[in-house]
Amino acid sequence: DSGVTQTPKHLITATGQRVTLRCSPRSGDLSVYWYQQSLDQGLQFLIQYYNGEERAKGNILERFSAQQFPDLHSELNLSSLELGDSALYFCASSGLAGDRGGELFFGEGSRLTVL
Amino acid sequence: AQSVAQPEDQVNVAEGNPLTVKCTYSVSGNPYLFWYVQYPNRGLQFLLKYITGDNLVKGSYGFEAEFNKSQTSFHLKKPSALVSDSALYFCAVRDERTDKLIFGTGTRLQVFP
Repeated sequence: DSGVTQTPKHLITATGQRVTLRCSPRSGDLSVYWYQQSLDQGLQFLIQYYNGEERAKGNILERFSAQQFPDLHSELNLSSLELGDSALYFCASSGLAGDRGGELFFGEGSRLTVL
Repeated sequence: AQSVAQPEDQVNVAEGNPLTVKCTYSVSGNPYLFWYVQYPNRGLQFLLKYITGDNLVKGSYGFEAEFNKSQTSFHLKKPSALVSDSALYFCAVRDERTDKLIFGTGTRLQVFP
C-alpha cells in the first residue's frame, strides 16, 4: 500500500460528459502529480501541484483541469469527454519540492472508459 | 531535454535464469534515475533509484540496477528470475527543472516456468 488513495477505481461514462477524479496523497506529502496511461501513449505527465499551487504542466488538454485543496487532496476534472480520453489516470505524491532524489508514490489509478 | 529510452518492448526469460531490462538516459546534469514495476490492473511500485554513489544499486524483490555513466545506461537486473516477476517495468528520470518523473515506454517482462 503506497498510502496514495484514488477514487473512483472505475468509471464508465459517455462522450461529452464531465467527470472528476480524486486523489488523497500520502500523509505529509505536499506534491501531487497526475499521469495518464493509455495503450498507445505510455505514461504521460499531465500536471503537478505543490502545496496548493500549480508547479508544472505537461501535455494536459484544455478540456482537463486540476486543483489541489488546502487539505492537500487533489482533483482532476475531465470535461467534454471523447473516446480517446479512455485511459488509466494515476495520481502520485512526494514530499518536498526540489527533492529530486525522492521517489514518487503512486495510487492504484482510476480507469476511465468513455463510450 | 531529459529522457529515458527502453529499447525492448518485451523481454522473455526462463525461470531461474538471470534477467536484464535495459534503459538508457539522456540528461544535461546529474541523473536521478528510477525503476518502477506495474502488475496488471495495479499502480506503479517503486523498485530502486540511483542518486549518487555506488554504481550498483540494490532494490526491492531482489532487483538491482547498474548505473554506467560512460554508456548512459541504467539496466535493471536480477540474478534468478521468478514467474511472479512477470510485469511491466518502467525506467524514469527526474526532471531537472521540475520534480516530475519522465518515464520510458515500458518493457514487458515475461518469465516462463
